[in-house]
Amino acid sequence: EDQVTQSPEALRLQEGESSSLNCSYTVSGLRGLFWYRQDPGKGPEFLFTLYSAGEEKEKERLKATLTKKESFLHITAPKPEDSATYLCAVQARGYGQNFVFGPGTRLSVLP
Amino acid sequence: DTGVSQDPRHKITKRGQNVTFRCDPISEHNRLYWYRQTLGQGPEFLTYFQNEAQLEKSRLLSDRFSAERPKGSFSTLEIQRTEQGDSAMYLCASSLTSGTGGRDTQYFGPGTRLTVL
Repeated sequence: EDQVTQSPEALRLQEGESSSLNCSYTVSGLRGLFWYRQDPGKGPEFLFTLYSAGEEKEKERLKATLTKKESFLHITAPKPEDSATYLCAVQARGYGQNFVFGPGTRLSVLP
Repeated sequence: DTGVSQDPRHKITKRGQNVTFRCDPISEHNRLYWYRQTLGQGPEFLTYFQNEAQLEKSRLLSDRFSAERPKGSFSTLEIQRTEQGDSAMYLCASSLTSGTGGRDTQYFGPGTRLTVL
């Protein structure tokens, strides 16, 4: 069964304090790994798609990396507006098209 | 705004009542997905459509749930005889994919928050 875990469950950072979020996955064959940001009471907002080990994507203060077993979301010099829940999802090879999501990491950036 | 839209944004109902939610996907997207999300958890897959065909349903989708996508455009999700355990955020997503093995990024709507009293 495809599984996704994320750590830590919650993270509090001071503004400017860089850190990384982890997403570990077990799938029969990875078609894609996706990062989303979700604000309270809203739908997930797409950030990145990664397809193969070694791939990296960047957007502003965020950088996502992928290995064969996990992905990291690196946050450099975060700002309070980066506070949100960050969700990781995998899409497996095969007939199924759905995403399997992890529980998310709740990030709080304090001014 | 050309993103995914959902209606209503909030729905409060009494146990035993039927509710229906609507999702309008991004206009050129051929796939549409429904997910359910409870507090502190990631979204859980319910079902998906390619054009008007419903191709996959999760075991989470009991016989009280039904989804349609007539004409391959908007979709509706109906819950009959609601139970308190149905209280959750119902999310819709859409994607543009060619072929059966395509990689597809899913774009989500704002969700419908259901509260069953």
